[in-house]
Amino acid sequence: QKEVEQNSGPLSVPEGAIASLNCTYSDRVSQSFFWYRQYSGKSPELIMSIYSNGDKEDGRFTAQLNKASQYVSLLIRDSQPSDSATYLCAVFYNTDKLIFGTGTRLQVFP
Amino acid sequence: GAVVSQHPSRVICKSGTSVKIECRSLDFQATTMFWYRQFPKKSLMLMATSNEGSKATYEQGVEKDKFLINHASLTLSTLTVTSAHPEDSSFYICSARDWEGHYQETQYFGPGTRLLVL
Repeated sequence: QKEVEQNSGPLSVPEGAIASLNCTYSDRVSQSFFWYRQYSGKSPELIMSIYSNGDKEDGRFTAQLNKASQYVSLLIRDSQPSDSATYLCAVFYNTDKLIFGTGTRLQVFP
Repeated sequence: GAVVSQHPSRVICKSGTSVKIECRSLDFQATTMFWYRQFPKKSLMLMATSNEGSKATYEQGVEKDKFLINHASLTLSTLTVTSAHPEDSSFYICSARDWEGHYQETQYFGPGTRLLVL
């Protein structure tokens, strides 16, 4: 059973802080990893994709991948109330289909 | 990023009628599209994989005669909910696969269709 696991939260951080979202996956052959943001009542929106070990930065977002530990994370710097949403980790297994985690709800309070 | 549209965004229908939802990739060609449904405060549930020019692949427990999928072109997939019942009321979301490089593919989601069956 291929699984993607996330803490459901909520993760509460103050405005301006760094929010750290974590995700683990079960299949070592996974090649592609994604973070999506989903606001309540809306569809998921792609934030980051990462394919190789290490860090990938895009604006306030940094994705980190460690294939040996089967771990992918998303850091959000200078968190804003508008970042409050559910963050979905997704893993692509052997070009078949995306497997989603259940999502972590992030709350950024002023 | 690539753009995926869905139509309609919201539909209300009577029990027993059929509803068609369209999913279009606007600026790329998608040989593969996916259909999900999502209940309030729940995770995405993959219903089926739609392949251009061939039959869709349905996930376990999803009735293929109930949820008809047609992927007639590289930019359009349709989901028809046949003989809809109140329990089919849900948020239906499509996504389209875009290849961005060697082994680097990404799924982009449409805005979703909220179906309410009375």
